[in-house]
Amino acid sequence: GAGVSQSPSNKVTEKGKDVELRCDPISGHTALYWYRQSLGQGLEFLIYFQGNSAPDKSGLPSDRFSAERTGGSVSTLTIQRTQQEDSAVYLCASSIQGQTNEKLFFGSGTQLSVL
Amino acid sequence: GDSVTQMEGPVTLSEEAFLTINCTYTATGYPSLFWYVQYPGEGLQLLLKATKADDKGSNKGFEATYRKETTSFHLEKGSVQVSDSAVYFCALISGYSTLTFGKGTMLLVSP
Repeated sequence: GAGVSQSPSNKVTEKGKDVELRCDPISGHTALYWYRQSLGQGLEFLIYFQGNSAPDKSGLPSDRFSAERTGGSVSTLTIQRTQQEDSAVYLCASSIQGQTNEKLFFGSGTQLSVL
Repeated sequence: GDSVTQMEGPVTLSEEAFLTINCTYTATGYPSLFWYVQYPGEGLQLLLKATKADDKGSNKGFEATYRKETTSFHLEKGSVQVSDSAVYFCALISGYSTLTFGKGTMLLVSP
C-alpha cells in the first residue's frame, strides 16, 4: 500500500481481555517497529523486527505483551489480560532496511482504551 | 541511557509569530537528531534531521541546528501558520536502530 496501515484505529476493551493490533508495513520494507504513546509520555519503544533476524524485544513492558511478524510483512501485537495502564496509542513504523538514520514511516496508530 | 527532554506545551501562538521549541538530549557517542511532527488524526512524519554537530536540518520553513556544546536541537520557524498546529517530537538515534523520543510539544496556532 501507499503507507503503513494499522487496524483497528480504535479499540475499546474490558480489563482482563486479550487484544490484537495489526500493522501492515510499506511493501518492501524489511524493518518494522512498534511504539506506544501514552498520555503525557513520549513515544516508548516496544519491539523491532529486522528481516529474518530475531526481534529486539527489549522494550516490551511485561510478558503480557508479545508480537509476531508473519512472512516478513504483517505484524500483530498481542496484549493479554489487558490492564487500564495499557491504554495508549500504539504506533507501528517501518523502514527500508532498519539502518541508523533511515527514515521511518509511521502508521496512524491504534487508540486502545481499557475500561 | 539516552534521553530527550523537550519543553512542555501547549505552545500557543498567533499566526505569523516566531516559534521556538526547545530540545536537549543526553546520549552516548554521537547521535543523529530528528524532529517528527504529528498532525491531528495522522501518523508521525519526519520533519527534519541532522546527523553531525553544527548541521542544520530544514524543511517547510522549520529549522534546527545540532549544537553539540549545549547538547541541544531547538526547533524554530520564523512565521507560523494555522496549519502548523500539531504535536512536535524531538528524537535521537545513538548507535542503535531504534529512536528515543521526547514527550512531545503541542503547538496551537490561532488566526
